[in-house]
Amino acid sequence: GAGVSQSPSNKVTEKGKDVELRCDPISGHTALYWYRQSLGQGLEFLIYFQGNSAPDKSGLPSDRFSAERTGGSVSTLTIQRTQQEDSAVYLCASSLDSYEQYFGPGTRLTVT
Amino acid sequence: EDQVTQSPEALRLQEGESSSLNCSYTVSGLRGLFWYRQDPGKGPEFLFTLYSAGEEKEKERLKATLTKKESFLHITAPKPEDSATYLCAVQGWGSQGNLIFGKGTKLSVKP
Repeated sequence: GAGVSQSPSNKVTEKGKDVELRCDPISGHTALYWYRQSLGQGLEFLIYFQGNSAPDKSGLPSDRFSAERTGGSVSTLTIQRTQQEDSAVYLCASSLDSYEQYFGPGTRLTVT
Repeated sequence: EDQVTQSPEALRLQEGESSSLNCSYTVSGLRGLFWYRQDPGKGPEFLFTLYSAGEEKEKERLKATLTKKESFLHITAPKPEDSATYLCAVQGWGSQGNLIFGKGTKLSVKP
């Protein structure tokens, strides 16, 4: 079946601009996660959605980062006023039971 | 604070030369330990979940084991196509389900 999809696969933006990254989870998966992978660093948790519950935003690095999940499916991660340190690969994962998480291919964000 | 440390950072093997990757962890109540494989430019690919000490799981040339403090990923007679970065992650009962990842072991298998 279809896996997790993310778009765009690559995004180059100028410092100070806003960007939106999209994630389509596996159909039927109720849990959705966003992670960030920077060069030389491990994957860093950003935000977690589970069903209709309030999201766990404890990993968001600043108030420039926000995310929403519409209709319990598609999610959008928004970064406002991008900075060079935001350059990274942004990975989305989904899960049926909050155990095994299946990842998408990621969006590589470059802030110039 | 939950933490995962993987060693070595990089490992070079000859085809057929078996070895092990280590994942040491500290977590306040282990809900699960996960192994992933990541190829360059791709997202992590799920391999195994281990839930309790003493548990073992196998898939082709890979075998994952778990103790109360660490996990090993044993690679038997590796092939060049096993070359990838192997990631270990833990999930604690105190978390909302998010994974804490190590930095990975980059494995290169030469023919």
